[in-house]
Order: sequence, then C-alpha cells, then structure tokens
Amino acid sequence: SQQGEEDPQALSIQEGENATMNCSYKTSINNLQWYRQNSGRGLVHLILIRSNEREKHSGRLRVTLDTSKKSSSLLITASRAADTASYFCATASTGANSKLTFGKGITLSVRP
Amino acid sequence: ETGVTQSPTHLIKTRGQQVTLRCSSQSGHNTVSWYQQALGQGPQFIFQYYREEENGRGNFPPRFSGLQFPNYSSELNVNALELDDSALYLCASSLGGGWGPSTGELFFGEGSRLTVL
Repeated sequence: SQQGEEDPQALSIQEGENATMNCSYKTSINNLQWYRQNSGRGLVHLILIRSNEREKHSGRLRVTLDTSKKSSSLLITASRAADTASYFCATASTGANSKLTFGKGITLSVRP
Repeated sequence: ETGVTQSPTHLIKTRGQQVTLRCSSQSGHNTVSWYQQALGQGPQFIFQYYREEENGRGNFPPRFSGLQFPNYSSELNVNALELDDSALYLCASSLGGGWGPSTGELFFGEGSRLTVL
C-alpha cells in the first residue's frame, strides 16, 4: 500500500516558473521526505522534514509540512529544464514496524 | 566515498526461473533495503538487512529472499519468477537500521531492471 498521495500526477511548466507539488498522507509520521528520479533510474534524496518542523529550505527547494492536515508541499523555484524528473514523497510512520512508504510520484516537465 | 552500485543493470528471464540481484552499499553504511518499483508506480519496500540479519519486511511472498554479507553488500533472490515480477529493483543503503526499517535518508543505486517473459 502507498500512504503518500502526490498531487498533481503530472505537471508541465515553463523554465523560470515555480513548481508546486503536494503530498497527502493518512497516518501519523516521524518525518516526510522528498526524492527525485530521472527517467527510471535511482532515486536521489532531496530533503527531509521532521514532524515537529513546519518549513525547510534547501537551495531552490522549499518544503512545508502541515501535520494537522496531513499534507506537505514541495516548491521548486525558478525551475530549469534539468529539473524535469519524477518526484516522490515518502513518509516514515510512527510506532513499531515503521518504514519509509513512497507515493506514486509526480511527473514534472520543465519546457525550455 | 563510493556510492551504491547494483548489478546487473538489465536482465531478461522467463517465468519460473530464478534471479539474483546484487548490491554494494555506500561506504560506511551498515543497512541495506530493497525496493520493487513497477512501471508508473512508487517504490515498494521488500525488506531490509542490518548486520547480516533481515530486520524488516514488506508485503512480499517468501520467494523473495535476501542476504547481507560481512562487508554489508547484499543480494536479492527471487524464485519461481512471475510476469508481475517485472520491475525496477532498487537497493538503498543507510546508517542505523538496527531498530527496524530505516526511516532516515536513503541512498539509492541505479537499479536492476528485470523483465520476465
């Protein structure tokens, strides 16, 4: 089963625009992470936000977390063609047997 | 620092056969997790190995098995292959998985793409 549900499923923007991707989840979490995957290759970790954090920045990335709404958003500012990839949110649930559960991903296309 | 490496990158098998996939973890990492990613889906957790012991497993049948070696490299074995086993198999290494499946940052290899005919 996949706890994280990303929205939208696909996003197409022009280079220089901002890209906003959303993730909703169902159960309590310890942390939420975003990963990027280029064309069916390995995943690359982008950012981790803990359940007691509300916002985090890393370069052109900004992640927010709203635990009351069980949702997160990833903002990529000033997008580049090289940002074209699939983006996945992954949630680490609380309690025993906690593991990282990935969503189905968002396909981002940045047009030059 | 050496990253996570997987082999082979691509392979084709027929139904009923067996396959072994290999993974070398990132230098200094003692925990290896395996994920299955079907086309258009997110990675699904198969299992995790910490210090040569399986200490976490997802919803996969026993024909999916693994090993971890003293140098922390790992193998994923799948017996009696089925068509639905066609997928990208991803290995990820991390630190500190002694209490169960890692929930911190994972470092992924490029994957092994398995096609079952």
